[in-house]
Amino acid sequence: DIQMTQSPSSLSASVGDTVTITCRASQSISDYLNWYQQKPGKAPNLLIYATSALHSGVPARFRGSGSGTDFTLTISSLQPEDFATYYCQQTYNTPRIFGQGTKLEI
Amino acid sequence: QVQLQQWGARLLKPSETLSLTCTVYGGSFSGHSWTWIRQPPRKGLEWIGEVNDSGNTNYDPSLKSRVTMSVDTSKNQFSLKLTSLTAADTAMYYCARYRTFEGVADDWGQGTLVTVSS
Repeated sequence: DIQMTQSPSSLSASVGDTVTITCRASQSISDYLNWYQQKPGKAPNLLIYATSALHSGVPARFRGSGSGTDFTLTISSLQPEDFATYYCQQTYNTPRIFGQGTKLEI
Repeated sequence: QVQLQQWGARLLKPSETLSLTCTVYGGSFSGHSWTWIRQPPRKGLEWIGEVNDSGNTNYDPSLKSRVTMSVDTSKNQFSLKLTSLTAADTAMYYCARYRTFEGVADDWGQGTLVTVSS
């Protein structure tokens, strides 16, 4: 199975900051990497798919990049509603493993 | 965008079988795969498996011996069964559409909290 290592596990930031979350795959997954945002008590929401494609309705301050084994999610100009937990997921093959999550706190 | 509504028993005893069904509204059922993901309390997301509209399945190896997924295209529904439950299966269970070409689960159900307790 492909392992996904996400870092950091938690992150403190302020409104207006720019933050970066990283996700590393244990082997190449091409660009089959997605990012989700989850708020407490809610289902995850898709932010970015195929490494860098912005899902419909997602603000442009969310940006994904990377390829192969190393990927990043960058959130610019943090807004109050961005404080949540973020997960990466590889869909290169099955099982479609998620990263451990990054909790972004104020 | 589709709407996914899920239901099923929420309080089960050890050794019992979990049965959840997800109904898809507002979009095409055919041409997609359908996936189940769970989240134990205060933990991360776990992929359980997926089924396509022809009934072909892929399961997480750690659950494979206990999981069955199926589809009913006439009702726009897909289902999850998980046998021999233990407390470790206590989790929020989500259904979602998996867009095979793009490689992404884009629309999710609201989740069902399943508790396994004697």
